[in-house]
Amino acid sequence: NAGVTQTPKFRILKIGQSMTLQCTQDMNHNYMYWYRQDPGMGLKLIYYSVGAGITDKGEVPNGYNVSRSTTEDFPLRLELAAPSQTSVYFCASGRQGAEAFFGQGTRLTVV
Amino acid sequence: GESVGLHLPTLSVQEGDNSIINCAYSNSASDYFIWYKQESGKGPQFIIDIRSNMDKRQGQRVTVLLNKTVKHLSLQIAATQPGDSAVYFCAENQRGKLIFGQGTELSVKP
Repeated sequence: NAGVTQTPKFRILKIGQSMTLQCTQDMNHNYMYWYRQDPGMGLKLIYYSVGAGITDKGEVPNGYNVSRSTTEDFPLRLELAAPSQTSVYFCASGRQGAEAFFGQGTRLTVV
Repeated sequence: GESVGLHLPTLSVQEGDNSIINCAYSNSASDYFIWYKQESGKGPQFIIDIRSNMDKRQGQRVTVLLNKTVKHLSLQIAATQPGDSAVYFCAENQRGKLIFGQGTELSVKP
């Protein structure tokens, strides 16, 4: 039972580079989320999706893009990496009106 | 606006004591609340939830209380154990948008 799987687990990017953080879930959940967590801080919602083909901005969407072409996958795209995007990124999925299940996170460093 | 916040950023308790972690929310339209536990280096894990039409819900050693009048949520942990040491977050779910509070670090002294 895989649950929510994030890849990669760690990544170092240079300023200005681009990358995609992958997230996939095998629980047939309609809701999916992307968060970032800075050291010693809480989780900030970047983007979320209530179903395939539907995405919406969260609290801190600037510098990121998402897509949701299938129920299972919800990739997060960083187009021009900046040091301020150094963080741990968590993907989560859930059903309407129920708890969200989290992946193990991607630790991203931008230098 | 939407915000979920915590009164205490850190909490230190003796093993065996009860712990109470508090959370304030500002959006009266929120209809579902969740408590999560996060251990170092891991993703948040679900502890317990409560809907806005309830004021109390109990789980194994945990109880969540919801006071809609003052927009306050609390998590009570009975007989706190060393394994309960972690950061605890409350989260507010409004039509699918899940917003987290700041978090409280719980430290359990043996």
